[in-house]
Amino acid sequence: KAGVTQTPRYLIKTRGQQVTLSCSPISGHRSVSWYQQTPGQGLQFLFEYFSETQRNKGNFPGRFSGRQFSNSRSEMNVSTLELGDSALYLCASSLVSGAGDTGELFFGEGSRLTVL
Amino acid sequence: KQEVTQIPAALSVPEGENLVLNCSFTDSAIYNLQWFRQDPGKGLTSLLLIQSSQREQTSGRLNASLDKSSGRSTLYIAASQPGDSATYLCAVFVTTDSWGKFQFGAGTQVVVTP
Repeated sequence: KAGVTQTPRYLIKTRGQQVTLSCSPISGHRSVSWYQQTPGQGLQFLFEYFSETQRNKGNFPGRFSGRQFSNSRSEMNVSTLELGDSALYLCASSLVSGAGDTGELFFGEGSRLTVL
Repeated sequence: KQEVTQIPAALSVPEGENLVLNCSFTDSAIYNLQWFRQDPGKGLTSLLLIQSSQREQTSGRLNASLDKSSGRSTLYIAASQPGDSATYLCAVFVTTDSWGKFQFGAGTQVVVTP
């Protein structure tokens, strides 16, 4: 069974550019969440999608956005990149069967973004 | 606001010794708690998930306990091996105004020396 797949694995951008990261969840998983990991801040929650709807959002500026498609694949976009956006962006999926069922999180390998 | 703390931030043990990793959280109203390991530059690998109604969970050499009343979870790794060297993170699921999210600790970096 394939795990969570994230593309691209590495990318380098310059300030002011925008970037789109992709995440394919484990087959059958309808919940996809995104996290930013930096040495100083640790793992910070960005947002979570379930059945194409954003259910929860972390404390990040509006430059960070995401979406989920009908096949549960998800993308996140960061516009007007800043140096501080350099981080490992992690996607996780879970099998959520109903209300109150949080499900076990499974992570991808991440997308390492460097902003110059 | 839920705070998740992992102490110590780092530890080194000789091979064969048992590992004890701690995770503390401030709000006992959690749905579940999950332990992960992370190797340098990699994603997180799920180790154990403990539902809020459970007291412990076991998988091979790993055992995790959960005490909601005291806001603590402990991950035990028996007979440590050099391959256990990694950063171990715990995460608790907390409710928010809209459903909920996982709140992560900063992790404990473990080095097992041969």
